[in-house]
Amino acid sequence: DAGVIQSPRHEVTEMGQEVTLRCKPISGHDYLFWYRQTMMRGLELLIYFNNNVPIDDSGMPEDRFSAKMPNASFSTLKIQPSEPRDSAVYFCASSLGVAGLDTGELFFGEGSRLTVL
Amino acid sequence: QKEVEQDPGPLSVPEGAIVSLNCTYSNSAFQYFMWYRQYSRKGPELLMYTYSSGNKEDGRFTAQVDKSSKYISLFIRDSQPSDSATYLCAMMDSSYKLIFGSGTRLLVRP
Repeated sequence: DAGVIQSPRHEVTEMGQEVTLRCKPISGHDYLFWYRQTMMRGLELLIYFNNNVPIDDSGMPEDRFSAKMPNASFSTLKIQPSEPRDSAVYFCASSLGVAGLDTGELFFGEGSRLTVL
Repeated sequence: QKEVEQDPGPLSVPEGAIVSLNCTYSNSAFQYFMWYRQYSRKGPELLMYTYSSGNKEDGRFTAQVDKSSKYISLFIRDSQPSDSATYLCAMMDSSYKLIFGSGTRLLVRP
């Protein structure tokens, strides 16, 4: 399997622009997670889905952030409008079932590095 | 106070040294404890998982959990330059939210 695939790997944009990050989870995995990583705050959970349904979005920083999972093989994280403080590496991860969660076995993509000028 | 505290390092050791990495936590509801390894510009990958207090060994790696003290450790024996990475502790409660420490950067010098 190719693993979790994220795009773009790098994105540089200007404040106020819309940013869309994309994720393709591992086929068959039923949990999908969006994390954000910064030096100051480490790795923070933004939102996670189970069977395409958002379960917990309490980590989404504000209304400028939204996430969707229209089908089992695709998810997006959108920031509109973007701000410099959104600069971070955004990771998508997927997991197989509750057993996978029990063991903490999340499979991460390589991340999307976002810079907002 | 963060739920999970981890010294960011960096920790620099010579090849062959024993490395000790630690995390403390405040939430007594955490039941599952993991260590992830993250190489530069890559996503984290699961290294060790443990559920109960005590030790778990896997090759050169030993994970230790002390629930009474809310303290977990990862020991690396005979450290290698290829072990140079950031090590993140992670914890989960029954809601399946995985909370990460900020990570300790480890450098093993040849």
